[in-house]
Amino acid sequence: AQSVTQLDSQVPVFEEAPVELRCNYSSSVSVYLFWYVQYPNQGLQLLLKYLSGSTLVKGINGFEAEFNKSQTSFHLRKPSVHISDTAEYFCAVSVVIKAAGNKLTFGGGTRVLVKP
Amino acid sequence: SQTIHQWPATLVQPVGSPLSLECTVEGTSNPNLYWYRQAAGRGLQLLFYSVGIGQISSEVPQNLSASRPQDRQFILSSKKLLLSDSGFYLCAWTRIETQYFGPGTRLLVL
Repeated sequence: AQSVTQLDSQVPVFEEAPVELRCNYSSSVSVYLFWYVQYPNQGLQLLLKYLSGSTLVKGINGFEAEFNKSQTSFHLRKPSVHISDTAEYFCAVSVVIKAAGNKLTFGGGTRVLVKP
Repeated sequence: SQTIHQWPATLVQPVGSPLSLECTVEGTSNPNLYWYRQAAGRGLQLLFYSVGIGQISSEVPQNLSASRPQDRQFILSSKKLLLSDSGFYLCAWTRIETQYFGPGTRLLVL
C-alpha cells in the first residue's frame, strides 16, 4: 500500500515571497506523483505530475516540483507567490493496476494563505 | 477536449432521505471513473471506481452505492442519508495515468 504525508497543514506566506510545500511518500513499487490545487468550493485542478524522466517538473501557474527517489519526496515550489495562489494543495501518488486503472492516494493537504 | 460535469452543485437533504448524484464525462470513451468524498478535516477518500459499464468496485463499506448505467455516466446513491454523509463529493476520470476532477457537489445532511 502507498501513503503520502504532507508535512505542513498550513503555510502562511507573504505576497511575492517564495513558498515550498513538502510531500513525502512511501511505496513498495514505483509510483506516479501528482500535485493538485483546490480553490475554495471547487474541484481539484492538476498542477503538475511526474511520470518518468527529468526529476524537475514544471507545471502551471509558475509551480515546479522535484522528485527525489532516495528521499521519497516530491516537494512543490514557487519562487514568488500571488494572492491568487491562496488555496489548498494536495500531493498524491498512484499505482497503475491493470484491473482498476490508476488509484490515487492523497496526502492530507496544505493550506496556503498568501498575505499582502 | 474532455469535460466532466457534476450535478447538482449543492444539495441540502434531511437525514433519512435518498440521494442521487450524477457525474458525466464528455469527449472520451470508456473512461475509468471514480467517486471521492472530501469531509472536513479528513482529506480525500476514494469511495468507488469503475472500469466499465456495470462494473463497480467499492473501497470502503458505507451507506452509499454507485452505478454506471452508461459508458460516460457515474451515479452515487444512498437509500437513507446519515449526518456523516455530509461532505464534498468529487467525481474523476482517468486519461492514461492522470486523473481529472469535476467541479464537485457539496452535500449537507441536516
